[in-house]
Amino acid sequence: DAGITQSPRYKITETGRQVTLMCHQTWSHSYMFWYRQDLGHGLRLIYYSAAADITDKGEVPDGYVVSRSKTENFPLTLESATRSQTSVYFCASSESESTDTQYFGPGTRLTVL
Amino acid sequence: DQQVKQNSPSLSVQEGRISILNCDYTNSMFDYFLWYKKYPAEGPTFLISISSIKDKNEDGRFTVFLNKSAKHLSLHIVPSQPGDSAVYFCAAVDSGSARQLTFGSGTQLTVLP
Repeated sequence: DAGITQSPRYKITETGRQVTLMCHQTWSHSYMFWYRQDLGHGLRLIYYSAAADITDKGEVPDGYVVSRSKTENFPLTLESATRSQTSVYFCASSESESTDTQYFGPGTRLTVL
Repeated sequence: DQQVKQNSPSLSVQEGRISILNCDYTNSMFDYFLWYKKYPAEGPTFLISISSIKDKNEDGRFTVFLNKSAKHLSLHIVPSQPGDSAVYFCAAVDSGSARQLTFGSGTQLTVLP
């Protein structure tokens, strides 16, 4: 089915472990985004990508790494997870600039113990 | 320092009545505004948007009003339906310099039957 998917949907890990969250879209959208949602903060941008091999930092990039070797995939890696990274993570994509509608995946709930 | 603020974490209205969700912003460079709706365990979905060259945009039961001098926008839902119960996020962008949406913290709308 076409759209944007995220995996896993739920993940529990321990402090210090590396975790990778996957995001895949089938629309061939140029732009992809990673957000985290925390109570009282809404959605905050972690990283975004304008095209394959082009990424840039958002509002809260510390502790995260991204890559975009293919247009359809945009994985997010927590190199050494911390408890403060417990959150719900959303991936999104859009055809072009930020004024275009962003389409969100269903989210990954990550718990860091 | 939150540049987009939704000061009401929650709102309850009766079915058939009007729902008014408010959003304030501080960055005068924001020139495009969007509302997203989010159901539990799903990603946000685009609802309606407005450019700063307009003061009103309507789409069926949903109308967004923009007051640039007050740096305030509001979303009106008329008539409200139980299926409208969700978290509503306001978002803003400075389309001239940024490709990033800045989100508010969200308002939980509950429409009572």
